[in-house]
Amino acid sequence: DGGITQSPKYLFRKEGQNVTLSCEQNLNHDAMYWYRQDPGQGLRLIYYSQIVNDFQKGDIAEGYSVSREKKESFPLTVTSAQKNPTAFYLCASIGQGWAGELFFGEGSRLTVL
Amino acid sequence: AQKITQTQPGMFVQEKEAVTLDCTYDTSDPSYGLFWYKQPSSGEMIFLIYQGSYDQQNATEGRYSLNFQKARKSANLVISASQLGDSAMYFCAMRDSSSGGYQKVTFGTGTKLQVIP
Repeated sequence: DGGITQSPKYLFRKEGQNVTLSCEQNLNHDAMYWYRQDPGQGLRLIYYSQIVNDFQKGDIAEGYSVSREKKESFPLTVTSAQKNPTAFYLCASIGQGWAGELFFGEGSRLTVL
Repeated sequence: AQKITQTQPGMFVQEKEAVTLDCTYDTSDPSYGLFWYKQPSSGEMIFLIYQGSYDQQNATEGRYSLNFQKARKSANLVISASQLGDSAMYFCAMRDSSSGGYQKVTFGTGTKLQVIP
């Protein structure tokens, strides 16, 4: 079945460590997105990419980095520069023509101790 | 700049009644899309309905309908015959290319709906 796989589902890290969240899709979608969600809050856009080797900063990109070396993969690194990294992270993608459903992964919950 | 606004942080509805969740948007792009998602406490994002800016008719999917008023820039979600399982967070979102031609998707802050037996 086609879909988006995020890993790990839960991640604990010490303060000051970089962590990388994986996002893989087999939907053949060009556009991919990373969102951050804090408890009881909405989704805020971190980074997005429309094609391989190209990506754009979203509304809260500071302290995060991404790469898009393959169409299927869009990993997110939470760097030590991110002041409050504990959050729920969601990856999404949308098909060609950008009409219709934005598909989501199940999310990764990062806790920094 | 694009913007999505949900002004109702929380709402209550009696089971079997209809409820409207408000969403207004702002964009300079004539071609855009509007989404509604449901997020239960488990955290998964469940797609409910989509409306394109050029669609002539309001979108409907089962008990969900989108009241699209283009001139007023509103895209309210109507849930008919509420069920206890409808209790969740609901998010409105917009896709447009007002950010340098790239397809950006922005979400509102959400509305927490609670269905009362």
